[in-house]
Amino acid sequence: DADVTQTPRNRITKTGKRIMLECSQTKGHDRMYWYRQDPGLGLRLIYYSFDVKDINKGEISDGYSVSRQAQAKFSLSLESAIPNQTALYFCATSDFTGLAGGSTDTQYFGPGTRLTVL
Amino acid sequence: SQQGEEDPQALSIQEGENATMNCSYKTSINNLQWYRQNSGRGLVHLILIRSNEREKHSGRLRVTLDTSKKSSSLLITASRAADTASYFCATSSGTYKYIFGTGTRLKVLA
Repeated sequence: DADVTQTPRNRITKTGKRIMLECSQTKGHDRMYWYRQDPGLGLRLIYYSFDVKDINKGEISDGYSVSRQAQAKFSLSLESAIPNQTALYFCATSDFTGLAGGSTDTQYFGPGTRLTVL
Repeated sequence: SQQGEEDPQALSIQEGENATMNCSYKTSINNLQWYRQNSGRGLVHLILIRSNEREKHSGRLRVTLDTSKKSSSLLITASRAADTASYFCATSSGTYKYIFGTGTRLKVLA
């Protein structure tokens, strides 16, 4: 979805380096997410943010940090990259509406960043 | 651990046939969504079904939800080669963050 962009799209780095993955969205959504995808493991949630001042850890936050610079921007950092952080990383936004009787919270994904840590 | 587990892990069918994939989950949910992922690309939302709904349709897609069995199924009718992709279910349990399953890889042969 072109409304959610990620940079870089591909990155090869070495163990111990600091890496930042950036995500921008033009959808005007408050909620943003970072996931990693590994073969056979599906998507796992790293961090999520429900607004600029609300950041929460997901199931695999160790080794990662995030920054929500604005509603439209959510960055993921690897302070000291290690080889088992090699994965495909996705940013997503959601359009939570909180409708009575159930919510809609459709997620819109960016194209992904393929990160390789040597 | 994964909330949603898709079954089968891989499915290969001929064009024109129907494809059925299943998702099981462990805890109570508010809603369940299905997403498609073409190879190496971002996920695309297909359909959402709420916990108080039992069946939903969208074009060639039919989703069912059985909360008593904690399971959902996605049926793609009259499949096309362009349906080749991985399909994921994602569950929300009330905090409005989603937990994704491991996916079903569908291959539609022309």
